[in-house]
Amino acid sequence: DQQVKQNSPSLSVQEGRISILNCDYTNSMFDYFLWYKKYPAEGPTFLISISSIKDKNEDGRFTVFLNKSAKHLSLHIVPSQPGDSAVYFCAASAKPSNTGKLIFGQGTTLQVKP
Amino acid sequence: NAGVTQTPKFRVLKTGQSMTLLCAQDMNHEYMYWYRQDPGMGLRLIHYSVGEGTTAKGEVPDGYNVSRLKKQNFLLGLESAAPSQTSVYFCASGSGPSGYEQYFGPGTRLTVT
Repeated sequence: DQQVKQNSPSLSVQEGRISILNCDYTNSMFDYFLWYKKYPAEGPTFLISISSIKDKNEDGRFTVFLNKSAKHLSLHIVPSQPGDSAVYFCAASAKPSNTGKLIFGQGTTLQVKP
Repeated sequence: NAGVTQTPKFRVLKTGQSMTLLCAQDMNHEYMYWYRQDPGMGLRLIHYSVGEGTTAKGEVPDGYNVSRLKKQNFLLGLESAAPSQTSVYFCASGSGPSGYEQYFGPGTRLTVT
């Protein structure tokens, strides 16, 4: 049972345009959501997160939106740059958590074309 | 700070061989995790530890064992490797309930022939 789903395996956008990566979840107990970025041959690195008490969190070019009623979150990258080309994973944590476990989606490969 | 380090970076095993992957972190994190990444499957949790001397099963624990004898180290063992264990393995650490973010190592690419 895939509790966190990224239904688009890949996305291609032009440099300077907006990239929108989507993530859906099924567990209503998830209370914290994170996005990770992964370059080839490297480990994932934390990008941005959002608590379930918020519907938006912004950090520079990156904004995460959370729609709890739809159990959907999205990552917006504006403007997109070639260096943003990577695999993006969304992840979620359920309350209560004394384990710190994260549930990851399958990942979306973003290609930003110059 | 080295963060999270993993050894080895690459390994090729024959079916039935054993090996241990080592993860070390210097961030004084209580919580450590082992994941595997396979195409189209994302990151799946193998085992985790919430403190020195403790371990627990994750989503895909079969065929693996772990040990956390020291707070900074988390070992992943394959007793009898199978081709299905060909994957990229990532270790991560985190401060647990006080912080959700996990910090990942660079990964170990394992091929079992």
